[in-house]
Amino acid sequence: EIVLTQSPGTLSLSPGERATLSCRASQTVNSNYLAWYQQKTGQTPRLLIYAASIRSTGIPDRFRGSGSGTDFTLTISRLEPEDFAVYYCLQYGSSLSYSFGQGTKLEI
Amino acid sequence: EVQLVQSGAQVKKPGESLKISCKTSGYSFTMFWIGWVRQMPGKGLEWMGNIYPDDYDTTYSPSFQGQVTISADRSTSTAYLQWSSLKASDTAMYYCARPSIAGDFDYWGQGTLITVSS
Repeated sequence: EIVLTQSPGTLSLSPGERATLSCRASQTVNSNYLAWYQQKTGQTPRLLIYAASIRSTGIPDRFRGSGSGTDFTLTISRLEPEDFAVYYCLQYGSSLSYSFGQGTKLEI
Repeated sequence: EVQLVQSGAQVKKPGESLKISCKTSGYSFTMFWIGWVRQMPGKGLEWMGNIYPDDYDTTYSPSFQGQVTISADRSTSTAYLQWSSLKASDTAMYYCARPSIAGDFDYWGQGTLITVSS
């Protein structure tokens, strides 16, 4: 089972700043099978990035996914007030098994 | 339009059984896996397992194997998650989600809140 570790646990930034969120896997993840989600309090998770770097429909270009192997990054170039939320990475495909990271809380 | 509509919130006692549902529409039910995700209060997302309605092939997270049962009904395009004996620690929000062709969960149900308390 692949374990995903996200860092930092909490990231405190201001609107307009750049956010860099990390997701590290316990073993190699096929880059086609790494996604990022945003979840706001009381809401359903929202798909931001799939296949490590492809933005989902309607996701602004300030969100960028990158990485390969065991190290993946979500970068938000210029934070907007609505970007403050919890972010999760997800790996999928390994023997039809999925796993989420524990999440990074992005706070003002 | 793809939609996943889950059954309503439930309050149950420890030891009771429960089956919650996820009714799908807007796509061919048998062509995509359906997954279940748990979110305990104030905690992160946990993948529980998936089912492929075409042949009922099912895969579970080791953490949930033997603890829950995932099933599907092709005639109603509905997936289910069930417990035979609930525990207080099963209190959580449960989401169904549909993996895309690429594998990521691209469509989600609205969630079903399960509260288990004596």
